[in-house]
Amino acid sequence: EVQLVESGGGLVQPGGSLRLSCVASGFTFSTYEMNWVRQAPGKGLEWVSYISSGGNTIFYADSVKGRFTISRDNPEKSVYLQMNSLRAEDTAVYFCARGTDILATMDYWGQGTLVTVSS
Amino acid sequence: QSVLTQPPSVSAAPGQKVTISCSGSSSNIGNNFVSWYQQLPGTAPKLLIYDNNKRPSGIPDRFSGFKSGTSATLGITGLQTGDEADYYCGTRDSSLSAGVFGGGTKLTVL
Repeated sequence: EVQLVESGGGLVQPGGSLRLSCVASGFTFSTYEMNWVRQAPGKGLEWVSYISSGGNTIFYADSVKGRFTISRDNPEKSVYLQMNSLRAEDTAVYFCARGTDILATMDYWGQGTLVTVSS
Repeated sequence: QSVLTQPPSVSAAPGQKVTISCSGSSSNIGNNFVSWYQQLPGTAPKLLIYDNNKRPSGIPDRFSGFKSGTSATLGITGLQTGDEADYYCGTRDSSLSAGVFGGGTKLTVL
């Protein structure tokens, strides 16, 4: 059974940093693309970042470019999102999602971790 | 404002059929596969349709997808109260090198 479990969310002050983690199980992690997608309270889905199976290709949404960094550790079956210079508008539930067809399909999703940016 | 445009809400009676539209452009829907996701209240999104019209294992054939030009449509037949959820279309935008979603459509089964 495919499982994705996110962690690392919490309350942080504006300008602060957080590192989100997503641990995968139930599939060969090293052969799949991974994404981070977020959902602000009461709002729709917003794609945040993508990393290819080998980590060589990375994309970011314009809203987070230069502030967030995606990475992965294939032996640890984990993908990470380092979030710096956080703003109130980054407040959201952050989902990790397994990808296929480079950004076009996300076939399994974790349960999400809540990030709240507030003073 | 989302790159892909969906109606905010649709509604229909149990047992009826409903369609949800998703409009984009040549840089996204027009030249890429479309996926559809269902998000039940308080849960993570779930893949319903991929590659425009394919269903993952376990998704009933009451759910269907169709794409023509720069628009896509999700169809749901035999509506059940358990289908009440938010539905999102998604794809790749080749010009932006980004994933894009519609704003979501809330389905109410009256």
